[in-house]
Amino acid sequence: AQSVTQLDSQVPVFEEAPVELRCNYSSSVSVYLFWYVQYPNQGLQLLLKYLSGSTLVKGINGFEAEFNKSQTSFHLRKPSVHISDTAEYFCAVSRSVSNYKLTFGKGTLLTVNP
Amino acid sequence: AAGVIQSPRHLIKEKRETATLKCYPIPRHDTVYWYQQGPGQDPQFLISFYEKMQSDKGSIPDRFSAQQFSDYHSELNMSSLELGDSALYFCASSKQGATTDTQYFGPGTRLTVL
Repeated sequence: AQSVTQLDSQVPVFEEAPVELRCNYSSSVSVYLFWYVQYPNQGLQLLLKYLSGSTLVKGINGFEAEFNKSQTSFHLRKPSVHISDTAEYFCAVSRSVSNYKLTFGKGTLLTVNP
Repeated sequence: AAGVIQSPRHLIKEKRETATLKCYPIPRHDTVYWYQQGPGQDPQFLISFYEKMQSDKGSIPDRFSAQQFSDYHSELNMSSLELGDSALYFCASSKQGATTDTQYFGPGTRLTVL
């Protein structure tokens, strides 16, 4: 079984500051890793994913994440955030890319203040 | 690009009533997943279908049933509704076997049970 731990339930930052949202996972098998973003009253949008290859993955809206197998982590980063980045961010794992359920973390609420 | 379509977007029901949620996957996607997201919670996997057959089952109550039809759309049927069933219900779709594809989520159906 897989599990995901998002270490911070809330992260407040000021506009144009850098941010890191932390995610650790646990699995007995190889996993695929994802970050989804959920804006208020909206659905889940895929930010980025790690399937294989380079451990540094770039996604939409200037976000990137680094897969660290030894640390079992997949932290999300952005060098300079905007007010519009305010949203809930979910880290998720799956045993398969396309045909297996996603297991989500509890989410991190990123609040960007002016 | 076409996205996952869910209907209705909002649904209000009384306790003990029934509800049917519909999901139309992205064209050529053959796998459908249902997730339930309670208020302030992370999405929880309910059930999935591949080629009209149930492929995996999560924490879905016995009062709920689902199926995937020949055109790949899926319906989640919920009976004897309880207050605790109030949640956002997401459908996601994917193409099995695609090495780079992943699950794409619909906008969700917000179910309120009064």
